[in-house]
Amino acid sequence: AQSVTQPDIHITVSEGASLELRCNYSYGATPYLFWYVQSPGQGLQLLLKYFSGDTLVQGIKGFEAEFKRSQSSFNLRKPSVHWSDAAEYFCAVGASTSGTYKYIFGTGTRLKVLA
Amino acid sequence: NAGVTQTPKFRILKIGQSMTLQCTQDMNHNYMYWYRQDPGMGLKLIYYSVGAGITDKGEVPNGYNVSRSTTEDFPLRLELAAPSQTSVYFCASSSPGRYSNQPQHFGDGTRLSIL
Repeated sequence: AQSVTQPDIHITVSEGASLELRCNYSYGATPYLFWYVQSPGQGLQLLLKYFSGDTLVQGIKGFEAEFKRSQSSFNLRKPSVHWSDAAEYFCAVGASTSGTYKYIFGTGTRLKVLA
Repeated sequence: NAGVTQTPKFRILKIGQSMTLQCTQDMNHNYMYWYRQDPGMGLKLIYYSVGAGITDKGEVPNGYNVSRSTTEDFPLRLELAAPSQTSVYFCASSSPGRYSNQPQHFGDGTRLSIL
């Protein structure tokens, strides 16, 4: 069965420090992977996506993610965190089941940024 | 540039009452989804639709109903509200693409409390 695991429920970093949020997936076929960000009281906004090709993908707001097939991972990174990055981050995999497209989400990682 | 619009944003219901959560999108997306988000649980799929007149159950459909009479609208109905349905509800839409590689667009959510 398809699944997405985000092992870190909460992460706290200082402003200006680097960030890495972990995501592991389980999916039998080629995965389509997404990272979303959710600010308080808002819906989810797409940060970046991976379909194929270059395993390092760039997204909005200075985020990037690297797809590693051998590790079944799609970790999100940012070299220098800003206070405005405090939010909840969700990793998701797009799955095709009997011709129907669904999305499986991880449980999220809440990021706190210290001034 | 509306995207996905959900109404209402907040609602308090008494046990046993019914209500309809509205969702409309202006991107001509075939696929629409309803999720609920509970703390620490990520997003759980309630129902989804692949086009007007076609709906199907997701992971947690009990206590809910949907309809899809037009491409734009995908309302979610709670018939007999129960405290377990206290949650934040998100509507999303996507175009199918060639595979399940199209990101979803989310509304801002409806925060529902059942007392």
